Amino acid sequence: AQSVSQHNHHVILSEAASLELGCNYSYGGTVNLFWYVQYPGQHLQLLLKYFSGDPLVKGIKGFEAEFIKSKFSFNLRKPSVQWSDTAEYFCAVNAGYSSASKIIFGSGTRLSIRP
Amino acid sequence: NAGVTQTPKFQVLKTGQSMTLQCAQDMNHNSMYWYRQDPGMGLRLIYYSASEGTTDKGEVPNGYNVSRLNKREFSLRLESAAPSQTSVYFCASRTGMSTEAFFGQGTRLTVV
Repeated sequence: AQSVSQHNHHVILSEAASLELGCNYSYGGTVNLFWYVQYPGQHLQLLLKYFSGDPLVKGIKGFEAEFIKSKFSFNLRKPSVQWSDTAEYFCAVNAGYSSASKIIFGSGTRLSIRP
Repeated sequence: NAGVTQTPKFQVLKTGQSMTLQCAQDMNHNSMYWYRQDPGMGLRLIYYSASEGTTDKGEVPNGYNVSRLNKREFSLRLESAAPSQTSVYFCASRTGMSTEAFFGQGTRLTVV
């Protein structure tokens, strides 16, 4: 069964620091990958997605992620974080090409930014 | 556009009571999902419906049932609520395989 691991449960950074959040998935075939963000008290919103093509994908608000197939990883990066990036971040995977495929989420990483 | 609408937003139940969480989307999406979110556990898939007329179990289906009433609506039913079902429930929908899911605002359910 597919699964997603986010090893960083809580990350605390100062403003302007660089960010990298880890995401690893377990599935040997074709995958679609997502990063979602949840601001306090809100629902999930898509940050970026990878379906095929260039493994370096750019999303909203200056976020990017790199798909490394050999490492089963899809890490999220941002060169310089802002206080407004305080949120919870979820990595998700959708395995295979079946129309009945599921989207499975990781346990999330809470990001706290010190002003 | 309303997107994905969930009702109610908040609910308190007593142990053993039943209730149905409603979800409707106006984006003509084929697939719909129900997740629960618990602290430190992320979102866990309860049930999903790849298309109208089909439903499948997710990661944590026990204690829940679903109905895909039509293409727009996907409801989640708790037949006999338990305190372990206290959670925030999110409904989501998407067009198909190579698209992202859009989420509703969530239902905060407390079972006492």
